[in-house]
Amino acid sequence: QKEVEQNSGPLSVPEGAIASLNCTYSDRGSQSFFWYRQYSGKSPELIMFIYSNGDKEDGRFTAQLNKASQYVSLLIRDSQPSDSATYLCAGSSSNTGKLIFGQGTTLQVKP
Amino acid sequence: GAGVSQSPSNKVTEKGKDVELRCDPISGHTALYWYRQSLGQGLEFLIYFQGNSAPDKSGLPSDRFSAERTGGSVSTLTIQRTQQEDSAVYLCASSLVPAPYNSPLHFGNGTRLTVT
Repeated sequence: QKEVEQNSGPLSVPEGAIASLNCTYSDRGSQSFFWYRQYSGKSPELIMFIYSNGDKEDGRFTAQLNKASQYVSLLIRDSQPSDSATYLCAGSSSNTGKLIFGQGTTLQVKP
Repeated sequence: GAGVSQSPSNKVTEKGKDVELRCDPISGHTALYWYRQSLGQGLEFLIYFQGNSAPDKSGLPSDRFSAERTGGSVSTLTIQRTQQEDSAVYLCASSLVPAPYNSPLHFGNGTRLTVT
């Protein structure tokens, strides 16, 4: 079992729709979680981080964390073609603190 | 500097040669990470530094790979006797706050390594 798992996609949504990206993790002691966006040929850039159970909103983005279910998600409202990218979920290791990334989900927003 | 700086940005080397990749983190960031990303793949963890020590080097693929960090700042990733499978983008990232409440990682632009 991978430590952080994501569906590779591609996830295709129409422009203006809500995109829902999901991530599960195996380390029950993980404390911090991150969502990064990566355009082709570029480095990952931070979208959001979340430490506590519940929702955290920032503009069109909402991160959700459920530690009991070991589940993290990212919602993108009013999706735009410019949101088309690979979205990486990352969680911290409770043993050493390293950040472990999932394989990423490719999002395609169609005009 | 304003961000994480990596050099060189591109490196082409012959199989069997040694290479050194450099990372200059954001000033004051105590944690430094190295990841590797092959084409179309996710981020593969290599090693993590907290200050000058490496609490986790479990991702280094073989004993041909080594890394060090000096003065709690600059880090060098060395690959000896390079192989074609070492071809990838090597990404360095740094963060301000140590584990377990990791602050976000800030990534450099990466070094694209090609072994011919």
